[in-house]
Amino acid sequence: QVHLVQSGAEVKKPGASVKVSCKASGYTFTSYYMHWVRQAPGQGLEWMGILNTRGGSTTYAQQFKGRVTMTRDTSTSTVYMELSSLRSEDTAVYYCARDSLVGSGWSFLDYWGQGTLVTVSS
Amino acid sequence: EIVMTQSPATLSVSPGERATLSCRASQSVSSNLAWYQQKPGQAPRLLIYGASTRATGIPARFSGSGSGTEFTLTISSLQSEDFAVYYCQQYSNWPPWTFGQGTKVEIK
Repeated sequence: QVHLVQSGAEVKKPGASVKVSCKASGYTFTSYYMHWVRQAPGQGLEWMGILNTRGGSTTYAQQFKGRVTMTRDTSTSTVYMELSSLRSEDTAVYYCARDSLVGSGWSFLDYWGQGTLVTVSS
Repeated sequence: EIVMTQSPATLSVSPGERATLSCRASQSVSSNLAWYQQKPGQAPRLLIYGASTRATGIPARFSGSGSGTEFTLTISSLQSEDFAVYYCQQYSNWPPWTFGQGTKVEIK
């Protein structure tokens, strides 16, 4: 069975960076792309970007370009999302979610991590 | 960027009744439309993909329809566990993947 297990909650000060991890199991890690989606308190879902877990290439949403970096470690089947220059508006739950399409990404999201709350506060 | 608009924002329904949720795309997404259910404190869960195909383990009371720009999620007879927020998402024209703002289904 597919599982995506994320790292624990974080509290950061404005201007700092945060790195969230997502460990995958139950499938061939490099066969599926991984997305990151965030959700501010009481708000909807916002797509942040996608990572090719085999080659490492990325595509980021325009509003996060220059601040977000998505990487992976194939030896541990783990993906990472690092967000820098944090501001209060970045307070949100961050989710990793697997793309459903084998080998090429760009489809719907079939499995989600449990979410990681990142709080940005001085 | 394709904008997804859901209506209504909140739907009040009695248990056992039918619920109909709408999702509209700002341009055609063909059948590249998914629906997700999210309960408080939980991650979203995939319900429907390809506009009308139920994901694994999703009960038959959930059905999706539509294509192009107009889509509907129907819950034929609401159970207590169905009260949640529902999001539509297009995966036709990317990036970015875009979600609707959500419809909250609450107990009447």
